[in-house]
Amino acid sequence: EVQLLESGGDLVQPGGSLRLSCAASGFPLSSYTMGWVRQAPGKGLEWVSDINNRNTKTYVDSVKGRFTVSRDNSINTLYLQMTSLRAEDTAVYYCVRAGSISWYDCWGQGTLVTVSS
Amino acid sequence: DSQMTQSPSSLSASVGDRVTITCRASQGISNFLAWYQQKPGKVPNLLIYAASTLQSGVPSRFSGSGSGTDFTLTISSLQPEDVAIYYCQKYDGAPLTFGGGTKVEIK
Repeated sequence: EVQLLESGGDLVQPGGSLRLSCAASGFPLSSYTMGWVRQAPGKGLEWVSDINNRNTKTYVDSVKGRFTVSRDNSINTLYLQMTSLRAEDTAVYYCVRAGSISWYDCWGQGTLVTVSS
Repeated sequence: DSQMTQSPSSLSASVGDRVTITCRASQGISNFLAWYQQKPGKVPNLLIYAASTLQSGVPSRFSGSGSGTDFTLTISSLQPEDVAIYYCQKYDGAPLTFGGGTKVEIK
């Protein structure tokens, strides 16, 4: 069974850092483009970042220079390193797997990041 | 960057009604469009990709159409379990923008 399990969400102060992890099972991470999508409380979906199987990375403008996506195919795990966190980064962060192109056919349960003093 | 505008933002319809949701891209995106359903308190679920291809396991009452800038998601006969927020997403290139969502309720 294909599964994505996020971890690492927490309460962090503005300006702080956090690393999210996404453990994939049931498929080889190395064969897929993976990404992160977030959803602020009571709001819609916002695409955050993608990393393809050639390690090409893309980001939404609001996180460029602050967030870094990476992958460790040897342990089937995706990461999102977040620095200089802001209140507007508060959201549930979903790990997603892309289909043949970049529609998302598998979503994790999400991990909550709260940025507040 | 292409923006994605959904309409309406919410709708209320009766069980058995035909429901249509529209998504408009500010620039042409060919057929690089997906639709997702997010039921209350749940994770989003892929319904349609490539504008009109039904994801495996999705009921056939859901259908998608369109190309370029104008797209529609149609529920041919609304069911109680279809209460959800529906999102479109473009994936022709970064940023992979989502629409603002359409909340579907039962009248």
